[in-house]
Amino acid sequence: EAGVAQSPRYKIIEKRQSVAFWCNPISGHATLYWYQQILGQGPKLLIQFQNNGVVDDSQLPKDRFSAERLKGVDSTLKIQPAKLEDSAVYLCASSSRLSASTDTQYFGPGTRLTVL
Amino acid sequence: GENVEQHPSTLSVQEGDSAVIKCTYSDSASNYFPWYKQELGKRPQLIIDIRSNVGEKKDQRIAVTLNKTAKHFSLHITETQPEDSAVYFCAASKNDMRFGAGTRLTVKP
Repeated sequence: EAGVAQSPRYKIIEKRQSVAFWCNPISGHATLYWYQQILGQGPKLLIQFQNNGVVDDSQLPKDRFSAERLKGVDSTLKIQPAKLEDSAVYLCASSSRLSASTDTQYFGPGTRLTVL
Repeated sequence: GENVEQHPSTLSVQEGDSAVIKCTYSDSASNYFPWYKQELGKRPQLIIDIRSNVGEKKDQRIAVTLNKTAKHFSLHITETQPEDSAVYFCAASKNDMRFGAGTRLTVKP
C-alpha cells in the first residue's frame, strides 16, 4: 500500500511569514495526526483528527497554528505568523481504526521547516 | 496529561552485545506502548509495540517488557548489529500518544 505522503519536503521562510503543509494519509485510514519534532527531541503531538473531527488539539499553539481535514482525507497544517522556535520537522501520521490512539501509526517523510 | 521519560539519552555498545532502553510513564490509564526507530533524516518506523494486557513481547532480536505496577517499560535488543544504530523512541498512549525524548544507539563494529 502507498504510504503517508507529505509536501513540501523542505521549506525555508522568514519569521512572521506564513507557511502551510499538506498531508495525504494512507487510503482508508480514519485517524490523522500532526506532530512537531524539534531537533534532538521526540515527536510532539499537535493535533489528532478522526475523520474530519478534531479529537485532541491540546498541544496546538492556537494563536498561530491551525489545521483542517475538511473531507476526512487530506489535511493541511498552517502556521501564521511563524516564529524562530517553529523550526522543526512536521510529521504527519495516520492509523486505520477509530480507536486509533492504540493502533499502529504510520509516519510520512516529514516537512523540514527552517524559520530565519 | 501523560509524561514519558526515556533513559539513557545515548547508548554505545559493541556489535553482538545487548542494548536496553528504559521508559517510564505517568498516566496509569495508558494502555499502548510502541517503540519507534528513526534513522537520520528519515521517518519514525514502528519496530515493536505492547499493550497493557501483556507483560512481554518478542520479535526475533527485539523484545519489550512492561511493568504496569511500576509504570515502566523497556526495549531489549540482543546481538546488536551496526544497522541497529539509530535513535529509538518509546511512546505511551491512552487517548493520545506521548513520546519520550529518544535514545541515540550506536553499535560499534
